[in-house]
Amino acid sequence: GAGVSQSPRYKVAKRGQDVALRCDPISGHVSLFWYQQALGQGPEFLTYFQNEAQLDKSGLPSDRFFAERPEGSVSTLKIQRTQQEDSAVYLCASSVGQANSPLHFGNGTRLTVT
Amino acid sequence: AQSVTQPDIHITVSEGASLELRCNYSYGATPYLFWYVQSPGQGLQLLLKYFSGDTLVQGIKGFEAEFKRSQSSFNLRKPSVHWSDAAEYFCAVAVGFQKLVFGTGTRLLVSP
Repeated sequence: GAGVSQSPRYKVAKRGQDVALRCDPISGHVSLFWYQQALGQGPEFLTYFQNEAQLDKSGLPSDRFFAERPEGSVSTLKIQRTQQEDSAVYLCASSVGQANSPLHFGNGTRLTVT
Repeated sequence: AQSVTQPDIHITVSEGASLELRCNYSYGATPYLFWYVQSPGQGLQLLLKYFSGDTLVQGIKGFEAEFKRSQSSFNLRKPSVHWSDAAEYFCAVAVGFQKLVFGTGTRLLVSP
């Protein structure tokens, strides 16, 4: 029963490699968000899905970042040609999709680019 | 642009003492405000939220926060801190449908 599940928990990538981060939201949650949290900082918005539709991707830092949620459930955040500045914790959150409903966060994936 | 400022990077409080964590926001409309807590290696847990109505909001774990429009503040308080409260605390404002802008956080240390 679960909460939001993210995998892998830790990922080490060499600069230039592609990575894929997975998020399993709470079953039935319509809204899904990705945030990036750099060391010592607060989370920063990346992108937002309502069901399978990506309604806001204004926070994606470059065209190397791509997110999808093809069936309106599991989401994948892909980063191509990783750079050192991509090192951060990537947090996924989901909600039932109403304006005053709480966001439920996963424990995050810590990405280290060497 | 919308922003949240948490002026204290670290705060140390003795166990049993009272706590106040400061948060100031910048947002043009009526804000939706939140406080989250993050323990090491964990995601964020919602402590409380303000949408409208009573400006004093009660949350989980004995926390409360007061919205003061005139000061653009939403400070978090707890009358008696427990060692288990040691964590990082984030204030956030909603700038779109559930899209949050977070402050940089305040790390709470609890001394015995």
